[in-house]
Amino acid sequence: EVQLVQSGAEVKKPGESLKISCKASGYSFTNFWIAWVRQMPGEGLEWMGIIWPGDSNIRYSPYFQGQVTMSVDKSINVAYLHWNSLEASDSAMYYCARYLRTSGNSDAFGVWGQGTMVTVSS
Amino acid sequence: EVGMTQSPATLSVSPGERVTLSCRASQSISNNLAWYQQKTGQAPRLLIYDESSRATGVPDRFSGTGSGTEFTLTISSLQPEDFAVYFCQQYNNWPVTFGPGTKVDIK
Repeated sequence: EVQLVQSGAEVKKPGESLKISCKASGYSFTNFWIAWVRQMPGEGLEWMGIIWPGDSNIRYSPYFQGQVTMSVDKSINVAYLHWNSLEASDSAMYYCARYLRTSGNSDAFGVWGQGTMVTVSS
Repeated sequence: EVGMTQSPATLSVSPGERVTLSCRASQSISNNLAWYQQKTGQAPRLLIYDESSRATGVPDRFSGTGSGTEFTLTISSLQPEDFAVYFCQQYNNWPVTFGPGTKVDIK
């Protein structure tokens, strides 16, 4: 079964760093783009960017460029989303999602992780 | 950036009714349009991709039509498990953008 399993909820203070994870299983990790999507409380979905696990090629949304860092460890089939210095406005649910198909630079998101809730509060 | 709008924002429906949700793109996106269903407390689930192709396991009461800038998701006979928020997404251009969603709730 194809699955993306994300790390658990986090509660952090402003200025702290954070790395959340997305563990893939059931498919060839290096052959599908992984996307990160933000959903603020009660709001819609925002595309943060994508990463190709095969060579760590990354495309960031201009709204998130410089705010977060995407990475992967292909030896253990895990994608990461990292913040150097959190702000209260980073409080949201974060989803990883896998492209539906292996080919092409753009695609629908066929598989989703369960989400990681990040709360930033002093 | 391609702007996505959805209408209506909320739709109150009785089980068994036919439901039509609309999505509009600010410029042509060919058929690179997906629909997702999100239930409370859950991750989104892909329903339709490439404007009209049903994802694996999606019941055939869900169908997608349209092209260019105007798209429609139709649920032929709403079931109790279909009450949720529905998002459209364009993946023709970066950044990928989503519509604000249509909430389908019980009348």
